[in-house]
Amino acid sequence: TQLLEQSPQFLSIQEGENLTVYCNSSSVFSSLQWYRQEPGEGPVLLVTVVTGGEVKKLKRLTFQFGDARKDSSLHITAAQPGDTGLYLCAGPSGNTPLVFGKGTRLSVIA
Amino acid sequence: DAGVIQSPRHEVTEMGQEVTLRCKPISGHNSLFWYRQTMMRGLELLIYFNNNVPIDDSGMPEDRFSAKMPNASFSTLKIQPSEPRDSAVYFCASSLRFQSRASGYTFGSGTRLTVV
Repeated sequence: TQLLEQSPQFLSIQEGENLTVYCNSSSVFSSLQWYRQEPGEGPVLLVTVVTGGEVKKLKRLTFQFGDARKDSSLHITAAQPGDTGLYLCAGPSGNTPLVFGKGTRLSVIA
Repeated sequence: DAGVIQSPRHEVTEMGQEVTLRCKPISGHNSLFWYRQTMMRGLELLIYFNNNVPIDDSGMPEDRFSAKMPNASFSTLKIQPSEPRDSAVYFCASSLRFQSRASGYTFGSGTRLTVV
């Protein structure tokens, strides 16, 4: 089973700051997905990256897939309290369903 | 579409009792997944179905766990007998076609199970 390691585990920042969270693996993934999970709810898909080196932007969120397709990063510009949540990366393990990292728990303080 | 619907939202039961969790996937989605989430282990896949057929249940922790999908619009996850270590949040998710690299999963809101 391919493993996804996410860092940091916890991050607490002030509103307006920038941050980057990481998702790393020793294995190559055909694609990676990022989800955000709020308390009491299920994860919600933010983006899918499928090409090595790909960069996708979603408002203040920038997602990058590593050239070797073994890692990905999520950068948030000018974080807001509404960005608070658990950020999960996930990728398919061969021809089987998604495996998830344990996530980065982000807290943005007003 | 109302999304993936799970019930109940919360379940508190005594050790040894049978627990049944329910899921209604998004209409038209061919794949259904049951995951369990704990702080220690994160999201773990328990079992998944493709076109109502169970494909892989190797993630089911013990024989106490069973899952069915009698039709395209309903699935159950049953634990019998339940134990305190089964306490977790159980999620159901569905996907249009999970083999596609671009297919995302839509999750339900989960069932928080507490076994005392």
